[in-house]
Amino acid sequence: NAGVMQNPRHLVRRRGQEARLRCSPMKGHSHVYWYRQLPEEGLKFMVYLQKENIIDESGMPKERFSAEFPKEGPSILRIQQVVRGDSAAYFCASSRKGQRSNGTQYFGPGTRLLVL
Amino acid sequence: EDKVVQSPLSLVVHEGDTVTLNCSYEVTNFRSLLWYKQEKKAPTFLFMLTSSGIEKKSGRLSSILDKKELFSILNITATQTGDSAIYLCAVGETSGSRLTFGEGTQLTVNP
Repeated sequence: NAGVMQNPRHLVRRRGQEARLRCSPMKGHSHVYWYRQLPEEGLKFMVYLQKENIIDESGMPKERFSAEFPKEGPSILRIQQVVRGDSAAYFCASSRKGQRSNGTQYFGPGTRLLVL
Repeated sequence: EDKVVQSPLSLVVHEGDTVTLNCSYEVTNFRSLLWYKQEKKAPTFLFMLTSSGIEKKSGRLSSILDKKELFSILNITATQTGDSAIYLCAVGETSGSRLTFGEGTQLTVNP
C-alpha cells in the first residue's frame, strides 16, 4: 500500500512565477491536509479538503494561495506570483476518517519550494 | 491561540542512553495528541494518545498522556543512531480538522 505521494519533491521558481504542488493520498483515504514548514519553524496547518470540498482553509494566506481536491486526480496546492517568503517545505497528509473522528494523518515526503 | 511546546529543542546522547522528550499543550477543545518522527522526509506517525494514563508502546518507544497537567512524554530506551531525527508533537481538537504542531525536538544519537 503506497503511502502519501507528493510531487515534485523539489521545485525552484523565480519570483512572480506560479508553483503547483501535487498530493496523492493513501489508497482509501478521502481526507487531505496541507501544512507548511518554514525554515527553523514547526509545521503549520494550511487547509483541509475532502473530495471536491474545502472543509477548513483557515490557515491559508488570503491571497495567491489556493487548493483543490477534484473528484479524480491528486490534490493541488497552487501558489501564484511566488515571493521569496514562500520558500518552505510543503507537506501533505491524508486520513481515512476526518480529524473529528480521530482520523490519524499520514504524511507525504513533502515538496521543497525554493523561490529565487 | 492554541499552543504546543516541546522540550528540549535539541538533545545529544550516546547510543544506549534513554531519553525523555516532553510536550505540553494549551488547546481549547482537546481531542488527541500525536507523536511523529521526522527524518529527512515525511513525518512518520508514531503514536496517537487520547486517554490519560494509558501508556502506548512500540518496541523501544513509549508514550503517555496526562490530560490533567496537559502534557505528554515520549520515551526512547536503548537509543540507536537510527533514532536520530526530529520528534514532533501535535494536538488535534474536537472542533476542527487541523493539527497544531510543536517546534520539535532534534535528537542526535552518537555512536
